[in-house]
Amino acid sequence: SAVISQKPSRDICQRGTSLTIQCQVDSQVTMMFWYRQQPGQSLTLIATANQGSEATYESGFVIDKFPISRPNLTFSTLTVSNMSPEDSSIYLCSATSGSDTQYFGPGTRLTVL
Amino acid sequence: GQQVMQIPQYQHVQEGEDFTTYCNSSTTLSNIQWYKQRPGGHPVFLIQLVKSGEVKKQKRLTFQFGEAKKNSSLHITATQTTDVGTYFCAGRGAQKLVFGQGTRLTINP
Repeated sequence: SAVISQKPSRDICQRGTSLTIQCQVDSQVTMMFWYRQQPGQSLTLIATANQGSEATYESGFVIDKFPISRPNLTFSTLTVSNMSPEDSSIYLCSATSGSDTQYFGPGTRLTVL
Repeated sequence: GQQVMQIPQYQHVQEGEDFTTYCNSSTTLSNIQWYKQRPGGHPVFLIQLVKSGEVKKQKRLTFQFGEAKKNSSLHITATQTTDVGTYFCAGRGAQKLVFGQGTRLTINP
């Protein structure tokens, strides 16, 4: 299994600003993903973070709003740009390592005022 | 597109009662996974089912994958307070993994 850490664990931000969330995995993994989860709701895939190339975004999510980097096999960042209160959510990083099992980080709870 | 429906949305039981959550996909799945998310926590992988009609057990938890590989269930026998949380199924279709809406289980001790 993979152990995943995320920073920050939570933040309160002003609208119009941007926040970068970091995701670190303790071992080399195959795939890394970013999800959004509204409180009490299911998980929505934002994008697949590809090493050394542009992320693959799901319908409804765009690179200008959610730029993603993955410079190596164990690290990725997600930026939430030009934030509005609608972006308030929990953002989760996940990874797979040779199988389809997803290991999730602890999440970043974002509140936009 | 692929959809995964999960019912019920909420379930409240007395400790010791059984609990079941059901998952149905609009398309045939290559596998289905189950995750548990404790209140305030993150989803944790429980199990993956791959074969048609497959049944797997983990102590008091029984997981089933339908013959048509479009539905699945999780059954908990004699619930305990440690079972509290939200249970998500996630179906792997042709292109991606899609999570169900989850079933939130609360237990009256």
